Amino acid sequence: NAGVTQTPKFRVLKTGQSMTLLCAQDMNHEYMYWYRQDPGMGLRLIHYSVGEGTTAKGEVPDGYNVSRLKKQNFLLGLESAAPSQTSVYFCASRHTGNNEQFFGPGTRLTVL
Amino acid sequence: RKEVEQDPGPFNVPEGATVAFNCTYSNSASQSFFWYRQDCRKEPKLLMSVYSSGNEDGRFTAQLNRASQYISLLIRDSKLSDSATYLCVVTLNDFNKFYFGSGTKLNVKP
Repeated sequence: NAGVTQTPKFRVLKTGQSMTLLCAQDMNHEYMYWYRQDPGMGLRLIHYSVGEGTTAKGEVPDGYNVSRLKKQNFLLGLESAAPSQTSVYFCASRHTGNNEQFFGPGTRLTVL
Repeated sequence: RKEVEQDPGPFNVPEGATVAFNCTYSNSASQSFFWYRQDCRKEPKLLMSVYSSGNEDGRFTAQLNRASQYISLLIRDSKLSDSATYLCVVTLNDFNKFYFGSGTKLNVKP
């Protein structure tokens, strides 16, 4: 039981490049979330999903897209990376009726 | 205005001390409240939920004051291993979105 895993752990991009961050959970959780964490800002919600095939915008969705084609996976895409997207990205999941979120180990992204 | 505000600290305390953190939230419709712990360069993990009547888990006590819109975390008999950043989290009644504070850093010194 791996819990929540994230791929990759680290990445350096050049401005304008694209990439996809993968989040996978093996706990059969319905809810999945993508956050970014910046110094002094706390975690901010980018997008979230309440179930397979559904996604919704969070607080800071601009510049990101997401997909949840399978219940266990939640993908975060950056179509054209910008230096402002340099951050640590955390994925989380939780079960319906349980408010505890389980987080992945994070992806550290630097955009030059 | 931020949904959740916390004093960033750091709070530097000796082992064995009692330390308390407060967190204020702006939306009176907030329904559920939590404290998460985050170690340096690690992911956040749930420390405890905060109930209206207050709750205690070992050395940790959490309280909610709805009238003044703040929650608190009290740590008694601090251990070196308590050194971490403590995140205050609130959610509205749909439980879809969780709002995190920026965290309060605690350093427990020998």
